Amino acid sequence: QVQLQESGPGLVKPSETLSLTCDVSGFSITTGYFWGWIRQSPGRGLEWIGNMYHTGTSYFDPSFQSRVSIVTATSKNQFSLRLTSVTVADTAIYYCARHDRAMTPKHWGQGILVTVSS
Amino acid sequence: QSVLTQPPSVSAAPGERVTISCSGTSSNIGSNLVAWYQQLPGTAPKLLIFDDSERPSGIPDRFSGSKSGTSATLDIAGLQTGDEADYYCGTWDSSPSAKWVFGGGTKLTVL
Repeated sequence: QVQLQESGPGLVKPSETLSLTCDVSGFSITTGYFWGWIRQSPGRGLEWIGNMYHTGTSYFDPSFQSRVSIVTATSKNQFSLRLTSVTVADTAIYYCARHDRAMTPKHWGQGILVTVSS
Repeated sequence: QSVLTQPPSVSAAPGERVTISCSGTSSNIGSNLVAWYQQLPGTAPKLLIFDDSERPSGIPDRFSGSKSGTSATLDIAGLQTGDEADYYCGTWDSSPSAKWVFGGGTKLTVL
């Protein structure tokens, strides 16, 4: 049974870079599927950020494209999110997820709250 | 403004049936498979329906999904108080840029 767990700093200053890691267990990220990130601002709906295949193919929502990257660390069975130049509007719960057939986010981590504040 | 349109809220009594709609366009629902998620308060979203109408193992058959044209529907029969949650639809959007999109979410209240 695949399990995902987010980790990273819970507080980031405005204009800095948000970096989160997703640890995957029960499934090798090099076996297949896309791996990505979704966020949810307090009291708001779900917002898809992007995903990536371990070979490098990636998709991003255009609203994040200029400041987001997702990288995989296959030796650690992890993948990471980097979001640059953050503002208070980036305060959210960030979820990592495995995207199955039809790109459906099927397996989710429990989420991590990241607050952007000085 | 979400790409997929859902009603902000629906309500029904225990034991009743409720329908949640999700409206899109030809570039998303009209040409790709739809998923539905349940988010209980304080928890991560859980996949309820994938590929328009398939249920992951462990999801009761009280939950069913369907699609017609550019709209999808989630039906919940035999409502229980534990079904009170936020429900989101989602699908791949092929144009103008390839990305996954969610609906704005529907708050289900079990009266």
